[in-house]
Amino acid sequence: DGGITQSPKYLFRKEGQNVTLSCEQNLNHDAMYWYRQDPGQGLRLIYYSQIVNDFQKGDIAEGYSVSREKKESFPLTVTSAQKNPTAFYLCASSQPTAALETQYFGPGTRLLVL
Amino acid sequence: EDKVVQSPLSLVVHEGDTVTLNCSYEVTNFRSLLWYKQEKKAPTFLFMLTSSGIEKKSGRLSSILDKKELFSILNITATQTGDSAVYLCAVVCSNYQLIWGAGTKLIIKP
Repeated sequence: DGGITQSPKYLFRKEGQNVTLSCEQNLNHDAMYWYRQDPGQGLRLIYYSQIVNDFQKGDIAEGYSVSREKKESFPLTVTSAQKNPTAFYLCASSQPTAALETQYFGPGTRLLVL
Repeated sequence: EDKVVQSPLSLVVHEGDTVTLNCSYEVTNFRSLLWYKQEKKAPTFLFMLTSSGIEKKSGRLSSILDKKELFSILNITATQTGDSAVYLCAVVCSNYQLIWGAGTKLIIKP
């Protein structure tokens, strides 16, 4: 089945620790995105990548880092510089060509700070 | 500044009722508008709207876009408890970036 997978489902972070969230897609999409969602709020863009080996900061990139070494993978690292990391993190992918810009989402990772 | 505003923020109705959710936008370089349903996990895609006045329909759900007045509505008829969710609206800009509304939390009471 084609789709997007994220792991882990739940992640606990200690103070000062870096953690990495995994996102893999087998939809052959060029573009991938990371969003953060806080309770009762919409999605906020952290980083996005429209092609392998290239990525751009979104609206709230501070305290996060990404890499895009392979088309199917777009891991997100939450660094110790992110002071309020507790949130629901969603990864999405799309094929940004005419009429195909719909983003498809993975199941999400919920990050909690110990 | 580009923005997407959804209303109401929350809505409680009884099963069988019809609901209308609103999404208004102020976005430069509009490309399309997307509706998603989110039930405690990943948003699932409902509709993509690009042209004014053309209704998209899927079962009891329908949606329409007004590019002159800069809004879209999502209608759900004969609501069921399974329709309870957060409904998200997003506008796709010409660079394919999405601007998201905060969502409408819909609760359907039996």
